[in-house]
Amino acid sequence: NAGVTQTPKFRILKIGQSMTLQCTQDMNHNYMYWYRQDPGMGLKLIYYSVGAGITDKGEVPNGYNVSRSTTEDFPLRLELAAPSQTSVYFCASSTPGWYEQYFGPGTRLTVT
Amino acid sequence: ELKVEQNPLFLSMQEGKNYTIYCNYSTTSDRLYWYRQDPGKSLESLFVLLSNGAVKQEGRLMASLDTKARLSTLHITAAVHDLSATYFCAEAFQGGSEKLVFGKGTKLTVNP
Repeated sequence: NAGVTQTPKFRILKIGQSMTLQCTQDMNHNYMYWYRQDPGMGLKLIYYSVGAGITDKGEVPNGYNVSRSTTEDFPLRLELAAPSQTSVYFCASSTPGWYEQYFGPGTRLTVT
Repeated sequence: ELKVEQNPLFLSMQEGKNYTIYCNYSTTSDRLYWYRQDPGKSLESLFVLLSNGAVKQEGRLMASLDTKARLSTLHITAAVHDLSATYFCAEAFQGGSEKLVFGKGTKLTVNP
């Protein structure tokens, strides 16, 4: 099992550009999450999904969109990138009743 | 509003010493998570505490949960340099989906 994979690892965007961060898990987990981590801080939940076709907002959803068309994939879309979105983005997955969340390696995004 | 507070935020200790990191959380959640993060890396799950009075140990680390006091502790015994990392606690939103709210983290440095 590869676990949770994320692409790209690094990306530099100009203000106003758009991009999609990819997240894939091969553990057949129903639950998937996107978090962001700003320097020296803990993680904050952006969006989450409890299954294909079902998504909901977390603590900091503004400026982002998600979709979940399959169990495996949970892409995060940034429209009109802003410097405030400079952060490290982590995708995670879990399964109901097991509780433990498995994190991907992260995507380091810089918006200039 | 869910809030998780860790203290201390920075901890410098000598090898061989003992210390405790404290995690206060704001709701009646009965699930508390501890993670370790090395610089530039993803999060590694250490412990998932699922009920009041739960205690788990792995090597030199021991975590406990007191849901009545809304307090979890991570105790370090006879610290070694390899334990240097940032440690996060997180509580789970109630109502399923396992959304997590993270503390700011405790940066631990163990000096020879």
